[in-house]
Amino acid sequence: AQSVTQPDIHITVSEGASLELRCNYSYGATPYLFWYVQSPGQGLQLLLKYFSGDTLVQGIKGFEAEFKRSQSSFNLRKPSVHWSDAAEYFCAGYGSGNTGKLIFGQGTTLQVKP
Amino acid sequence: GAGVSQTPSNKVTEKGKYVELRCDPISGHTALYWYRQSLGQGPEFLIYFQGTGAADDSGLPNDRFFAVRPEGSVSTLKIQRTERGDSAVYLCASSLTGVFPTDTQYFGPGTRLTVL
Repeated sequence: AQSVTQPDIHITVSEGASLELRCNYSYGATPYLFWYVQSPGQGLQLLLKYFSGDTLVQGIKGFEAEFKRSQSSFNLRKPSVHWSDAAEYFCAGYGSGNTGKLIFGQGTTLQVKP
Repeated sequence: GAGVSQTPSNKVTEKGKYVELRCDPISGHTALYWYRQSLGQGPEFLIYFQGTGAADDSGLPNDRFFAVRPEGSVSTLKIQRTERGDSAVYLCASSLTGVFPTDTQYFGPGTRLTVL
């Protein structure tokens, strides 16, 4: 069955430091993968998505993610974190049935230290 | 333009009561999705509408949960005989065409349901 795992529940980084959030997926076929961000009281906002082609995907707010089939990973990165990046981050992929059903990971809460 | 809106933003009810949660998708979006997010968890899929019809309701946990979208726009998620375990944030999303896999889902802010 398809699944998405985010191994880190909580991460703290200093402002200006680099960031990497981990995501592992389990899919039988070509995965379609997403990263969303959720700020308190806000809806989920799409940061970036991977469907095919170039394995390094650029997103909004300076984020990027790299798809690595050999490692079943789709990690999110940012070279320099800003205090406003503090939020909860979700990795997601499509479930079965071609109906757009998204399967989400548990989420990673990012705290940014001044 | 206006995004996905959900009302109410918060709903407190008593165990056994009936509740309705409303979702207004982005204008022109044909596909609409409901998810449920429990505390500390990622969203879990409930149901997907393409137009007026439910194309996939495999995520509805039991027959107490029902959703409609009679005119292909606004959707209502209905929960009968609420239980404390139904307490969660209910998220709605819409997308332009529902065409898999390229369509992007845009999420609303959610309705926080608390069952006492």
